[in-house]
Amino acid sequence: GAGVSQTPSNKVTEKGKYVELRCDPISGHTALYWYRQSLGQGPEFLIYFQGTGAADDSGLPNDRFFAVRPEGSVSTLKIQRTERGDSAVYLCASRTSRDSNEQFFGPGTRLTVL
Amino acid sequence: AQRVTQPEKLLSVFKGAPVELKCNYSYSGSPELFWYVQYSRQRLQLLLRHISRESIKGFTADLNKGETSFHLKKPFAQEEDSAMYYCALSGSNYGQNFVFGPGTRLSVLP
Repeated sequence: GAGVSQTPSNKVTEKGKYVELRCDPISGHTALYWYRQSLGQGPEFLIYFQGTGAADDSGLPNDRFFAVRPEGSVSTLKIQRTERGDSAVYLCASRTSRDSNEQFFGPGTRLTVL
Repeated sequence: AQRVTQPEKLLSVFKGAPVELKCNYSYSGSPELFWYVQYSRQRLQLLLRHISRESIKGFTADLNKGETSFHLKKPFAQEEDSAMYYCALSGSNYGQNFVFGPGTRLSVLP
């Protein structure tokens, strides 16, 4: 079956602009995670959804970052007033029921802020 | 605070040699430990987790709570094992966030 998909695969924007990154999880997966991976680093947790609600958003770096999952499937990560330091690969992962901790990752969106 | 360290950024071994990728963690509680792997041009994928106590592609990892370590081992490395390896930690309650280490690039030389 289809895995986790993310669009766009690459996004180049200018400092100060607004961007949206989309994640389509595996069908039926109730949990969805967003991570940010900077060059030479491991994935850094941003936010976790269980269904439609954000169960843990403690990793969001500041109020410029926001994520939604209105229908409990597709999620959008939104970044306002982008800064050069936001440049990274943004990863999405989904997980099945509450009895499994295995996450399935998407290919990522590479965001470059000029 | 939760933290995962992987002291080696790059590890090079010859084909057929044993390999050990080190992982240490700090966590106040009972964590669940994982190894994730990313092959060239592929997405991150689960390699193994400590609660399964299984061997995947010849790799094993034992959780040592006394030393707070979860080192990944393979007795005979293969060229196809060359990849980025990330150690990760999660709380034992499902749904808690994951903490990843910085990763180790394993290069298996012919």
